[in-house]
Amino acid sequence: GQQVMQIPQYQHVQEGEDFTTYCNSSTTLSNIQWYKQRPGGHPVFLIQLVKSGEVKKQKRLTFQFGEAKKNSSLHITATQTTDVGTYFCASTLYNFNKFYFGSGTKLNVKP
Amino acid sequence: NAGVTQTPKFQVLKTGQSMTLQCAQDMNHEYMSWYRQDPGMGLRLIHYSVGAGITDQGEVPNGYNVSRSTTEDFPLRLLSAAPSQTSVYFCASKVSAGKYGYTFGSGTRLTVV
Repeated sequence: GQQVMQIPQYQHVQEGEDFTTYCNSSTTLSNIQWYKQRPGGHPVFLIQLVKSGEVKKQKRLTFQFGEAKKNSSLHITATQTTDVGTYFCASTLYNFNKFYFGSGTKLNVKP
Repeated sequence: NAGVTQTPKFQVLKTGQSMTLQCAQDMNHEYMSWYRQDPGMGLRLIHYSVGAGITDQGEVPNGYNVSRSTTEDFPLRLLSAAPSQTSVYFCASKVSAGKYGYTFGSGTRLTVV
């Protein structure tokens, strides 16, 4: 089963609105990575977080790692149509060699 | 650099047939993995390798075999295809453990009829 749970499964927003997806685990995560997959494409690595409470920004994207290292979020400010795609979180959990992906959040942006 | 190259891009198999999905990377990455992607299921790890000669099972290894004789290549073998193996298969590689993200191939869309 899924080691990391991601919510929501789908999100439809109007262009210019904000968007957030959450990644949760029942166990402490050693790290968390975020990927974006455009429709019909392959996942593309965005960022990795490793420290408790870590916050990183990439232009309109803000990534957070929870204090307990059991959850993470990706927030997009003022969405654009180019943000359309599925966003995945991934983590190695207890085995540093196995990378488990969440089920993803599919974002649709209406112009 | 070509990155991660997967072949074929599309394949239709009959139930019971076997085939090999090819994956090659030219970035000298130690780590390579195979994932399958099904609607609503995200990406599920099939097998992975941390270096030439070293492989291990992921979440859903049944019905698949792998080997890693060279750093560059990591083929995935379907032993006896079943309709449940209809999926999109992604190969991915990364430098090593640590802060690096995976680089994915463009995928193989497999249909088993």
